[in-house]
Amino acid sequence: GAGVSQTPSNKVTEKGKYVELRCDPISGHTALYWYRQSLGQGPEFLIYFQGTGAADDSGLPNDRFFAVRPEGSVSTLKIQRTERGDSAVYLCASSLHGSGNTIYFGEGSWLTVV
Amino acid sequence: GESVGLHLPTLSVQEGDNSIINCAYSNSASDYFIWYKQESGKGPQFIIDIRSNMDKRQGQRVTVLLNKTVKHLSLQIAATQPGDSAVYFCAEAGGTSYGKLTFGQGTILTVHP
Repeated sequence: GAGVSQTPSNKVTEKGKYVELRCDPISGHTALYWYRQSLGQGPEFLIYFQGTGAADDSGLPNDRFFAVRPEGSVSTLKIQRTERGDSAVYLCASSLHGSGNTIYFGEGSWLTVV
Repeated sequence: GESVGLHLPTLSVQEGDNSIINCAYSNSASDYFIWYKQESGKGPQFIIDIRSNMDKRQGQRVTVLLNKTVKHLSLQIAATQPGDSAVYFCAEAGGTSYGKLTFGQGTILTVHP
């Protein structure tokens, strides 16, 4: 499709397990973003890629969270030793460039840690 | 820290009425503002944006107003329809952090037929 694609759409995992969430941005978009949204709250910034490099990772909550974008297109958000507090919707977004271009969001990956 | 907040958490209107959703921001360095619509179970959908060198911008049935003096942003929806029912978020960015949007908590808009 033409939009930001995220997989899986839903993921249930046990506490302590490792999880990977994938994002396929809009074709041609060089900037990619990860946000996290808890129920009843607005999205919170996690990390922003410009090309292959992380331009700003100040929103990652701790070292259990890591994201990569090795070829400047698809990105993977990795969460180690998941905790129940990690349960949220993880939203990926992309924009043509990073400087004030419209940011388009995907539908999100709903993560539940039990 | 800096934040973006909304005055009204819920808004109910009749179909055909005009809706106004308000937002206050506190970061004076912000110079780019966006409104998103989010339906249940979906990701935020871009509605309209405005830069700080403007005080008004119009789209299809929507208008965004920016008052930098009082750090206030509003979204006006004309002839509101049931399909407009959703949560509306304002977000802001600026300086060297255009990719780092700061979102408000959201306003729930309910449109009654």
